[in-house]
Amino acid sequence: SYELTQPPSVSVSPGQTASIPCSGDKLGDKYACWYQRKPGQSPVVVIYQDTKRPSGIPERFSGSNSGNTATLTISGTQAMDEADYYCQAWDSSTAVFGGGTKLTVL
Amino acid sequence: QVQLQESGPGLVRPSQTLSLTCTVSGGSISSGTYYWSWIRQPAGKGLEWIGRIYSSGSTNYNPSLKSRVTISVDTSKNQFSLKLSSVTAADTAVYSCARGSSSWGAFDIWGQGTMLTVSS
Repeated sequence: SYELTQPPSVSVSPGQTASIPCSGDKLGDKYACWYQRKPGQSPVVVIYQDTKRPSGIPERFSGSNSGNTATLTISGTQAMDEADYYCQAWDSSTAVFGGGTKLTVL
Repeated sequence: QVQLQESGPGLVRPSQTLSLTCTVSGGSISSGTYYWSWIRQPAGKGLEWIGRIYSSGSTNYNPSLKSRVTISVDTSKNQFSLKLSSVTAADTAVYSCARGSSSWGAFDIWGQGTMLTVSS
């Protein structure tokens, strides 16, 4: 079965750039999306189709996808960005999620 | 705007069948190029996709759960449902329903989730 791998945690200082990778076999041949989940809240999609931002998502969120790795980048990270982030892709009509990355802003 | 709300028993005995319903409000379950999914998250673990259904009734399931899962839709009630048979403690999780966008390839609207515990 297809798998997506994320680091369990990433730390970043306020105002700096955070990068969260998601790796999978030939992931660049698929579309990747990213979800933000804060405690007690439902997930929110922050990036879809590799690079697109839904309306209402700040411009500091961006995405890329090439080769075996998709990356979520948060520029000028703010304290409010502290959350769990999940990547997701489709493989043969099956949705696959990465294990999630806890982003700590300190 | 479209909202999703899960409902279910909260507690299920081992070996029994789990049944959950998601009620869609603020829009028709039959409109647009959307699909309707169930996703779960055990405590301290990541998200796991269970399956999806289109308003036509067409389904796709997670291969790891396929033998135990049935997702159905009732367009007259604007609801879709999940049945998971032969449950064990490993099925204890927060279960969420979500709307998927065919144009986005992403889940754009989620329910708040409901905790389901498997215990005797």
